[in-house]
Amino acid sequence: AQSVTQLGSHVSVSEGALVLLRCNYSSSVPPYLFWYVQYPNQGLQLLLKYTTGATLVKGINGFEAEFKKSETSFHLTKPSAHMSDAAEYFCAVSGGAGGTSYGKLTFGQGTILTVHP
Amino acid sequence: KAGVTQTPRYLIKTRGQQVTLSCSPISGHRSVSWYQQTPGQGLQFLFEYFSETQRNKGNFPGRFSGRQFSNSRSEMNVSTLELGDSALYLCASSLLSGISYNEQFFGPGTRLTVL
Repeated sequence: AQSVTQLGSHVSVSEGALVLLRCNYSSSVPPYLFWYVQYPNQGLQLLLKYTTGATLVKGINGFEAEFKKSETSFHLTKPSAHMSDAAEYFCAVSGGAGGTSYGKLTFGQGTILTVHP
Repeated sequence: KAGVTQTPRYLIKTRGQQVTLSCSPISGHRSVSWYQQTPGQGLQFLFEYFSETQRNKGNFPGRFSGRQFSNSRSEMNVSTLELGDSALYLCASSLLSGISYNEQFFGPGTRLTVL
């Protein structure tokens, strides 16, 4: 079974500060990992994904994440927060190579990011 | 290209009733997945359909069911509604399924309120 743990349900940063949202996963097969963002009253938008290859992945809006197998982590970072980054962020895992559950995403509980001026 | 559309966007029902939600995937996408989002349980996978066949199913009671049509449009049905079924129901579509990763694109969701 796969699971995802996001450390910190709320993170608050000042505009221009580093954003760090933490995600740890558990998977019995090499996982595919994702970060999604959700703005109020909207669906989910994919920020970035790790499937295979380079472990440092870059996404939209200046976000990036690094897959660390030894730490079973996939933390999301952004060097400089912007007011428009305020939203809820979800880390997710799906079946990776050799798995059969590509269409099933298992999500973490979400982290609400607040950006102060 | 139009995104994933879900209808209706908002729905109010009373306990014991049933409800049907609709999802139209992105043109050309053949896989549709459904998720339930609640403040307490977060985002939970309901089921996935591909080529009119259910490929994966989450841990939900039999009151939750779905189907997919030949044009890839999908519906989910919840019978005998309970207060705890109040949630945002999200649909996601992807190009293929099963053999490799395909990005899932999410719709805006249907907000179901059960009174």
